[in-house]
Amino acid sequence: SQQGEEDPQALSIQEGENATMNCSYKTSINNLQWYRQNSGRGLVHLILIRSNEREKHSGRLRVTLDTSKKSSSLLITASRAADTASYFCATVPIQGAQKLVFGQGTRLTINP
Amino acid sequence: EAGVVQSPRYKIIEKKQPVAFWCNPISGHNTLYWYLQNLGQGPELLIRYENEEAVDDSQLPKDRFSAERLKGVDSTLKIQPAELGDSAVYLCASSRGPHEQFFGPGTRLTVL
Repeated sequence: SQQGEEDPQALSIQEGENATMNCSYKTSINNLQWYRQNSGRGLVHLILIRSNEREKHSGRLRVTLDTSKKSSSLLITASRAADTASYFCATVPIQGAQKLVFGQGTRLTINP
Repeated sequence: EAGVVQSPRYKIIEKKQPVAFWCNPISGHNTLYWYLQNLGQGPELLIRYENEEAVDDSQLPKDRFSAERLKGVDSTLKIQPAELGDSAVYLCASSRGPHEQFFGPGTRLTVL
C-alpha cells in the first residue's frame, strides 16, 4: 500500500541538464523525504521538508512542497553521471508516527 | 560512524525452506525497521521496533514471517516456510528519531 505516485517513472537526460521529478501523495503529512537508491544498494536520505515548509535547498538539490495539491518536486541541477539512480519520495503521515510510506520511484539516467 | 549492517547480502533457497536475515543498526539508534522491496517498487514496511518492542507489525505476514530484537540492538527476520513470491530485497533501517532513516544494503532473496 504505497501512498506516493511518482512521475515520471523513468527519466533520461544529458549530463549538465537539470532533472525534475514529481511526487503526489494522498493523506495529510507531517513531513516528506526524498531518498536515492543506487543499483543493488540501500537507500540514502537526501532531504526532508516539513509540512509547514514550501521549499528547501541542499547543494544541487531543490525540493518544493505544495500541501494543498499534495505534491512535491525534486530538482537536481547540473546533473552528473553519478546522479544516475532511482529516487523515491516518502511521506510520514500525520497519523503514522515514524512510518515512512514510499512511492514507486523515478529511475533517473544521466547520459555522458 | 559505521552504517547499518545486514547479512547475508544474497540468499538463494528452495521453496518451503526457512531463511533468516540479520541486521545490526547504527549504534545509539533505538528504532529499527524491516522493509520489503520488490523489483521496480519502493520499500514497504514490514515491522518497526522501538528498542525491544515491536510497535508496528501490521504489514508482517505472521503466518510465515517472524522477527525479533531481543536486546534492543540487532534484529533477525525469519521466513518459514519461504514461498516463490517472497523473492525480493529485504532492507533494514534504523533511526534515532522520527525523521531520517539510515538503510543497510539489503539482502536479496531468491526462492526457487
